Amino acid sequence: QLQLQESGPGLVKPSETLSLTCTVSGGSINRSGYYWGWIRQPPGKGLEWIGSIYYSGNTHYNPSLKSRVTISVDTSKNQFSLKLSSVTAADTAVYYCAREDAYNLRNAFEIWGQGTVVTV
Amino acid sequence: QSALTQPPSASGSPGQSVTISCTGTSSDVGGYKYVSWYQQHPGKAPKLMIFEVNKRPSGVPDRFSGSKSGNTASLTVSGLQAGDEADYYCSSYAGSNNLVFGGGTKLTVL
Repeated sequence: QLQLQESGPGLVKPSETLSLTCTVSGGSINRSGYYWGWIRQPPGKGLEWIGSIYYSGNTHYNPSLKSRVTISVDTSKNQFSLKLSSVTAADTAVYYCAREDAYNLRNAFEIWGQGTVVTV
Repeated sequence: QSALTQPPSASGSPGQSVTISCTGTSSDVGGYKYVSWYQQHPGKAPKLMIFEVNKRPSGVPDRFSGSKSGNTASLTVSGLQAGDEADYYCSSYAGSNNLVFGGGTKLTVL
């Protein structure tokens, strides 16, 4: 059973870079047909898609965050990562990693991590 | 890209049906078949309930159904149960490899 787990600092200072990692267990990240994404949720607010990456490294980013976001994949560690630069208080949120089945459930996230709280 | 528009709240009694709307534009909801719905209980990660407008992932009860007309998608929950009380979010493909979510609807089972 595939599981995703977010990890990283829970507190980041303004203007610094937020860095999170999502570790995939119970299956390989190095498989065609799956996108691996990051979604966040500010306190008491709705969900916001940050971006997604294919196992090959191909990335798609939310245009509103694109200038500050980098998503990368490390297939040797079965992990993918998020970097968000120049953070402000508005970036305080629960950050989720999730998987999209690009063949069968396109543009929908079927498996989610439990989420990690990041406070700026 | 702007967030999709959902009503802040919806409610119904056990056994009844309730429908939640999700309004976008021709550039997202109206332009593609890739509308999804997620259920989120407090303190939990979202759970995919509907994808591609009206398809249910394995394990999701058929009490949950989705539809779309023009720029508005809808989620209907039939035979309401206490466990259906949660926040519901829609999402849509918005072209150019972008995804957009709705603001969320809090469903209360009276």
